[in-house]
Amino acid sequence: DSGVTQTPKHLITATGQRVTLRCSPRSGDLSVYWYQQSLDQGLQFLIQYYNGEERAKGNILERFSAQQFPDLHSELNLSSLELGDSALYFCASSVLGMNTGELFFGEGSRLTVL
Amino acid sequence: AQSVTQLGSHVSVSEGALVLLRCNYSSSVPPYLFWYVQYPNQGLQLLLKYTSAATLVKGINGFEAEFKKSETSFHLTKPSAHMSDAAEYFCAVSVWGNTPLVFGKGTRLSVIA
Repeated sequence: DSGVTQTPKHLITATGQRVTLRCSPRSGDLSVYWYQQSLDQGLQFLIQYYNGEERAKGNILERFSAQQFPDLHSELNLSSLELGDSALYFCASSVLGMNTGELFFGEGSRLTVL
Repeated sequence: AQSVTQLGSHVSVSEGALVLLRCNYSSSVPPYLFWYVQYPNQGLQLLLKYTSAATLVKGINGFEAEFKKSETSFHLTKPSAHMSDAAEYFCAVSVWGNTPLVFGKGTRLSVIA
């Protein structure tokens, strides 16, 4: 158990819809990272937050947005969903804002868009 | 920008045989290199990391990796495979600072009894 909690574990929805994925980091971790894992693209970095502020941005689509709340949990919002958004979305956390590579991953939220 | 290339999307070994998973990196500055493992239906967990100290790095579950600057490689090895090693293995690179961890596409390891 990494200590990172993601909900929901599975989500099935239709094209055009909007979903929210939630992540609770390990106790004491200030950084939250979101990654998308798909068969063709592998693990793609989406975005990082540190103590409530956006720290780094990767290949995140404009239809996607994220935020980190004062209690340090984070949400990833995916809107106008397309079939290609079907993937496993991972949240990871670390203590520091700087990326030392020691990330603790949740078990992921599997999104299926029909 | 840094990147990693994992050679072989699927590797199959017999139980007790040597495990060798290959990773080559590209970075314009001294990199930090990592191997993560993902067991079925689980998140990734850190196996080992290289952060410019010893070039031979030992990790959990008997795995180790050697940083070879001249070959830009960071291959993962284990002398004797166990059935429980069957998983997906990811090589990753970062540089100190605010750059995100960049992962390779992964290598699925199968262990045959």
